Amino acid sequence: KAGVTQTPRYLIKTRGQQVTLSCSPISGHRSVSWYQQTPGQGLQFLFEYFSETQRNKGNFPGRFSGRQFSNSRSEMNVSTLELGDSALYLCASSFRGRAPDTQYFGPGTRLTVL
Amino acid sequence: DQQVKQNSPSLSVQEGRISILNCDYTNSMFDYFLWYKKYPAEGPTFLISISSIKDKNEDGRFTVFLNKSAKHLSLHIVPSQPGDSAVYFCAFIRGYNTDKLIFGTGTRLQVFP
Repeated sequence: KAGVTQTPRYLIKTRGQQVTLSCSPISGHRSVSWYQQTPGQGLQFLFEYFSETQRNKGNFPGRFSGRQFSNSRSEMNVSTLELGDSALYLCASSFRGRAPDTQYFGPGTRLTVL
Repeated sequence: DQQVKQNSPSLSVQEGRISILNCDYTNSMFDYFLWYKKYPAEGPTFLISISSIKDKNEDGRFTVFLNKSAKHLSLHIVPSQPGDSAVYFCAFIRGYNTDKLIFGTGTRLQVFP
């Protein structure tokens, strides 16, 4: 079974631009969550989607948004990029999005904002 | 608010010995406790978990201990192997109707020969 895939793996943008990251979950998984990892704040939850609906949201500004498609693939968008948005963005999928389902993480997208 | 703390940013252990990683938390409402391992340039990988109704769970070389009264979670790896060298994160879930993970700050484990 293929794991969680994320594209692109690396991205360089400049301040003010917007960016879209993509995540393909494990086949059969309907829940997709996004996390941001930075040296200062560690791993932080962004949001979770299940059956095309955002079900849970972390404490991030509205510049961070996402969506999920009918095939469970998910995209995350960040508008008006700031230097502080430079981070590793991780996507995770699980079957139902409920404990004790295991979340499986993708390799991440490394975003650098110049 | 820092709900979860891993006070040791790094740990160095000799191959074959026990590695003990620790995590302290402040929120007594957590229901599910997990450990993830992360190699550079990869996403976190699930290791082992425990629910709040238990105090110990074992899986091969990995054992997780939960002390609810002390709000303390630990991971024991016995025997440690060089391939265990990675960053270890404890993570918590509040409630069983979500799988939103609240992560600790991470401990870098190095296992040397």
